[in-house]
Amino acid sequence: ETGVTQTPRHLVMGMTNKKSLKCEQHLGHNAMYWYKQSAKKPLELMFVYSLEERVENNSVPSRFSPECPNSSHLFLHLHTLQPEDSALYLCASSEGLAGMYEQYFGPGTRLTVT
Amino acid sequence: RKEVEQDPGPFNVPEGATVAFNCTYSNSASQSFFWYRQDCRKEPKLLMSVYSSGNEDGRFTAQLNRASQYISLLIRDSKLSDSATYLCVVNPDTGRRALTFGSGTRLQVQP
Repeated sequence: ETGVTQTPRHLVMGMTNKKSLKCEQHLGHNAMYWYKQSAKKPLELMFVYSLEERVENNSVPSRFSPECPNSSHLFLHLHTLQPEDSALYLCASSEGLAGMYEQYFGPGTRLTVT
Repeated sequence: RKEVEQDPGPFNVPEGATVAFNCTYSNSASQSFFWYRQDCRKEPKLLMSVYSSGNEDGRFTAQLNRASQYISLLIRDSKLSDSATYLCVVNPDTGRRALTFGSGTRLQVQP
């Protein structure tokens, strides 16, 4: 497999559930990102990891908890979400911390919170 | 003022037309600029970087105007396959670890 993969592609969960989103990159990149994309809004950066260390956390509610066990894998653990958290969650990776590096995105997980 | 602003469109143009989008950014210290393309219900993909001197890739031309703080994307001889949302992307300053995305401009090329 190549590029950036994400599972699941679609997820419906209740507000009391706990679930996890998984991202895997096969590009040998050192930086990974979580973004949220809501309808008619720009991509919102949530978390940035560089070499498995979190380097940025953009005031994301604690009901979203990232985990980066190694440079190829990134998880987003979800618990007690709200309906307004329904969105497309995109994972991306880049060779180094962005600024100058192209980001490669996964296909996203479309999350619906009921 | 938003960090990156784009006209949401949609821009409806016939095949073969030339169309241009602008994007303004608020931080004059911004260093890196890109155009990404996002097809409906798909992930964004890099279309092209934007260099200070301007750059061209086939039918696509990108320009940077630092004085007025905007970048532009020109598409010549539009194809049906160019229909997508075009995202303006900026690295606001050298201290930031990630990029700031605009909301996108939607282009619909019609036969």
